[in-house]
Amino acid sequence: DADVTQTPRNRITKTGKRIMLECSQTKGHDRMYWYRQDPGLGLRLIYYSFDVKDINKGEISDGYSVSRQAQAKFSLSLESAIPNQTALYFCATSDAGEKLFFGSGTQLSVL
Amino acid sequence: KNEVEQSPQNLTAQEGEFITINCSYSVGISALHWLQQHPGGGIVSLFMLSSGKKKHGRLIATINIQEKHSSLHITASHPRDSAVYICAASTGNQFYFGTGTSLTVIP
Repeated sequence: DADVTQTPRNRITKTGKRIMLECSQTKGHDRMYWYRQDPGLGLRLIYYSFDVKDINKGEISDGYSVSRQAQAKFSLSLESAIPNQTALYFCATSDAGEKLFFGSGTQLSVL
Repeated sequence: KNEVEQSPQNLTAQEGEFITINCSYSVGISALHWLQQHPGGGIVSLFMLSSGKKKHGRLIATINIQEKHSSLHITASHPRDSAVYICAASTGNQFYFGTGTSLTVIP
């Protein structure tokens, strides 16, 4: 089993729909992150959490929300999806030593 | 403003060639990371280093803290090395990512 599991792997949705991307990890890490990747732009931080009670906005949090349900689970929601949220989304965790572990990614298309 | 810059953006090499990918950063770091992303695949961490040099198989990563520069070298390149290589700087609380170098190794 993967250390960091994202679901779904692919999702096509329509403008205005609410969608949730889920992430779970078996690493036992406190730190979890949501990034989006767009061609030519690299990875950009949406939200991060250093603890179950700690949620922080990243550089591009508008239009997104998150929930840290447990140490192992960190979900990302798009309340009302729009086409420019079409991207590849990654969940990641890190340990105190800062090594990053990524999920396999979710390719989201908003029509 | 990009805290992490990589070069080149794209690189094509013949199998067996020695490859170098460069990374410059402007933030104070606790560690510098090299990541690999295969087409359609996830991202895996290759190296995390804060000084000197690390080697894993045919891959070598070096860092010069004074010059704020790191390099990833691939010796005896192989088509399976074709991937996007991403440099990232961590500051303790944040990660800053380069835009990646797309490497294609031709048989």
